[in-house]
Amino acid sequence: GDSVTQMEGPVTLSEEAFLTINCTYTATGYPSLFWYVQYPGEGLQLLLKATKADDKGSNKGFEATYRKETTSFHLEKGSVQVSDSAVYFCALISGGSNYKLTFGKGTLLTVNP
Amino acid sequence: GAVVSQHPSWVICKSGTSVKIECRSLDFQATTMFWYRQFPKQSLMLMATSNEGSKATYEQGVEKDKFLINHASLTLSTLTVTSAHPEDSSFYICSARAFGGLDTQYFGPGTRLTVL
Repeated sequence: GDSVTQMEGPVTLSEEAFLTINCTYTATGYPSLFWYVQYPGEGLQLLLKATKADDKGSNKGFEATYRKETTSFHLEKGSVQVSDSAVYFCALISGGSNYKLTFGKGTLLTVNP
Repeated sequence: GAVVSQHPSWVICKSGTSVKIECRSLDFQATTMFWYRQFPKQSLMLMATSNEGSKATYEQGVEKDKFLINHASLTLSTLTVTSAHPEDSSFYICSARAFGGLDTQYFGPGTRLTVL
């Protein structure tokens, strides 16, 4: 079945540091890939997505590139802010999972001023 | 953008009572809604998938008689936790998917259930 593996946190950075959260996947067919963000006490918000190989999703300074050859979708941001502190989930949807979202375990990011 | 609401945002109840959580798509018709459960510091666990007008499909290990799901209209799904016990305390999140949008789910803000 489909699965998503993302680096386990917590990740603690200083403001303006560079962020990378690794995510790799296994899936049947050609999945769509997502990063969701969850702020404390809230539901999930879609941060960015990519639907085919070599696509780059981007939003709010975050980027991730769909790498089919390495089955990866790493999240990056060049300069994090305190307000980026949250839990980040990598996820995929594929026909093999009947179009249900498969989530990674989440990575807690804390950005200190 | 598409908005999904949940009500209530938090609820505290006594053991043995039933609690109903509503999930509404506010500006689109949701042919499919999903219910997730999230334990502290953990990922989301899919509980069930509901399609408008039909019975919900439950994931393995989820008790359908305990977690009753109704999707009576294209904008509303409800999750009822029957005879709640402290181990049912959790964060419940719904998501909604529009017709034709197979790869896009919009998430609600979640409902914190605490059973005393």
